[in-house]
Amino acid sequence: NAGVTQTPKFQVLKTGQSMTLQCAQDMNHNSMYWYRQDPGMGLRLIYYSASEGTTDKGEVPNGYNVSRLNKREFSLRLESAAPSQTSVYFCASTLSGGNPNTQYFGPGTRLTVL
Amino acid sequence: SQKIEQNSEALNIQEGKTATLTCNYTNYSPAYLQWYRQDPGRGPVFLLLIRENEKEKRKERLKVTFDTTLKQSLFHITASQPADSATYLCALVGNFNKFYFGSGTKLNVKP
Repeated sequence: NAGVTQTPKFQVLKTGQSMTLQCAQDMNHNSMYWYRQDPGMGLRLIYYSASEGTTDKGEVPNGYNVSRLNKREFSLRLESAAPSQTSVYFCASTLSGGNPNTQYFGPGTRLTVL
Repeated sequence: SQKIEQNSEALNIQEGKTATLTCNYTNYSPAYLQWYRQDPGRGPVFLLLIRENEKEKRKERLKVTFDTTLKQSLFHITASQPADSATYLCALVGNFNKFYFGSGTKLNVKP
């Protein structure tokens, strides 16, 4: 099992450019999440998908859109990148329901917006 | 909204000593609390969880306590080693499987 994979690992954008961060998991998990991590701010939830076909806003959704393409894949799109979106982005997944759930994280995407 | 606080200052300790990290939370009564480890350039990795009806949980050199009255969890690493150096995050799980993470405490274990 590859677990949670993310592409790309690094990206540099100019202000106003758009891009999509890709995430996939092969653990048959129901729920998937996108976080950003900034120094001193910890992990902040951008969007999440509790199950295939549903998406909901997290703490910091402005400037982002998501697509839960199928059970495996959950993408994050920046339509018009801004320097404030410079951050490290993590995708995570969880097998929801029943027992306490834990999160499995991808390796992250380091994004710089100039 | 939920608020989770961890000491933002790095914790520096000598190898062999016990490291103790603190996680405080407000505005919530979680059914359980989790601890994760994060190494530089990597995603967090789950370590332990403790339920609200458990006072203490152990896994090898790790020990977690959970005081729902104080709204606090303590994370202990006994006989610490330089390989334990990392950032440790605590997390609560809210409604609809939403996770709330603290900002983490960086642990430096010196040989």
